[in-house]
Amino acid sequence: DVKVTQSSRYLVKRTGEKVFLECVQDMDHENMFWYRQDPGLGLRLIYFSYDVKMKEKGDIPEGYSVSREKKERFSLILESASTNQTSMYLCASSFFNEQFFGPGTRLTVL
Amino acid sequence: AQTVTQSQPEMSVQEAETVTLSCTYDTSENNYYLFWYKQPPSRQMILVIRQEAYKQQNATENRFSVNFQKAAKSFSLKISDSQLGDTAMYFCAFMRDTGTASKLTFGTGTRLQVTL
Repeated sequence: DVKVTQSSRYLVKRTGEKVFLECVQDMDHENMFWYRQDPGLGLRLIYFSYDVKMKEKGDIPEGYSVSREKKERFSLILESASTNQTSMYLCASSFFNEQFFGPGTRLTVL
Repeated sequence: AQTVTQSQPEMSVQEAETVTLSCTYDTSENNYYLFWYKQPPSRQMILVIRQEAYKQQNATENRFSVNFQKAAKSFSLKISDSQLGDTAMYFCAFMRDTGTASKLTFGTGTRLQVTL
């Protein structure tokens, strides 16, 4: 079975802090994605990566950056966390047209 | 740009009954995929069912089936013989068929509660 893991289930940070969310997949998938999930808005794509060191902006990239130095790991970075970035963050990896999701990180920015 | 609309924020169904979740989408693409994902409370999102747009036959997976109406851009999910474990958030999603992996565009979700 494909396994996608995320470094934390719950995270509390203060405004202005630099935040790293880590995602690791064990199926040698080339494509990885970061979404944020908010009530009433569904999931929205922040960034995705189709290869090591490659990245593309999704629908809501502002305030975020990403890093993919190794195929199995895709990091989401909040350079200076703000309260409006309080949300659930979901990572996914994919082979062709099926995406496999991690358990999510619920981030609270105070 | 593609959009996906789920007009039912919440639904409830009794155990063993049948329920249908609605989804409409808007796209100018001819080749694409449609998905229903399930997110149980505090658990991971999992794929329920997938439909290729070029296939006329509706996809089925055990108790889950879809009604895919390409001309109407409609993609509803029917759950038969509902079980308590079906309680979850359900998301409809769209993906362009680019020949390689592509991003998903999600609807806003329908929260389904299965009751005794």
